[in-house]
Amino acid sequence: SQQGEEDPQALSIQEGENATMNCSYKTSINNLQWYRQNSGRGLVHLILIRSNEREKHSGRLRVTLDTSKKSSSLLITASRAADTASYFCATDSNDYKLSFGAGTTVTVRA
Amino acid sequence: DGGITQSPKYLFRKEGQNVTLSCEQNLNHDAMYWYRQDPGQGLRLIYYSQIVNDFQKGDIAEGYSVSREKKESFPLTVTSAQKNPTAFYLCASSIRGGGQSYNEQFFGPGTRLTVL
Repeated sequence: SQQGEEDPQALSIQEGENATMNCSYKTSINNLQWYRQNSGRGLVHLILIRSNEREKHSGRLRVTLDTSKKSSSLLITASRAADTASYFCATDSNDYKLSFGAGTTVTVRA
Repeated sequence: DGGITQSPKYLFRKEGQNVTLSCEQNLNHDAMYWYRQDPGQGLRLIYYSQIVNDFQKGDIAEGYSVSREKKESFPLTVTSAQKNPTAFYLCASSIRGGGQSYNEQFFGPGTRLTVL
């Protein structure tokens, strides 16, 4: 079953702008992860945030987690053309598998 | 190079045929997973295996079968019972199965299956 839902479904921004996408989920989690998928390729892990963490950074990525609202956000700062991809959140709820959302498609215009 | 490989990249199947998709990893990971992705959709879990000689059904296991005879290999068979098999299939592995705090998954490049 699909637990995470990303919002928006699609996002188009100019190079250099920031991109923000959100993920909401339904049940309690151990951790929440964000993945990137370039067209026709496999997924690449970006960042993992544990349920007891509120914010995490990795390079140009910033992830927040609000367990009271069951939501997370991914911010990509100073976007580049290479950031054009689909981004998925995935929740780990201690049942031996990840549940993925439908993704946000980000297009960065030169 | 450590990684996870899938073959073939593209696969065409006639209706009524069984086909097997290969997934191999040399990361020494215990857990392996198969997902199906339809256009514009997220990933849906087909089967997963936390350890050799053991596997569990995911959310959409009907019409699929797997085996896990070796730690490195987790082949997926798409049987004729799968009514709508045309999709992009992704294999993944992780150090351990879920219930851990570091269940990051590593993905293969995918196999695109088309039923003719």
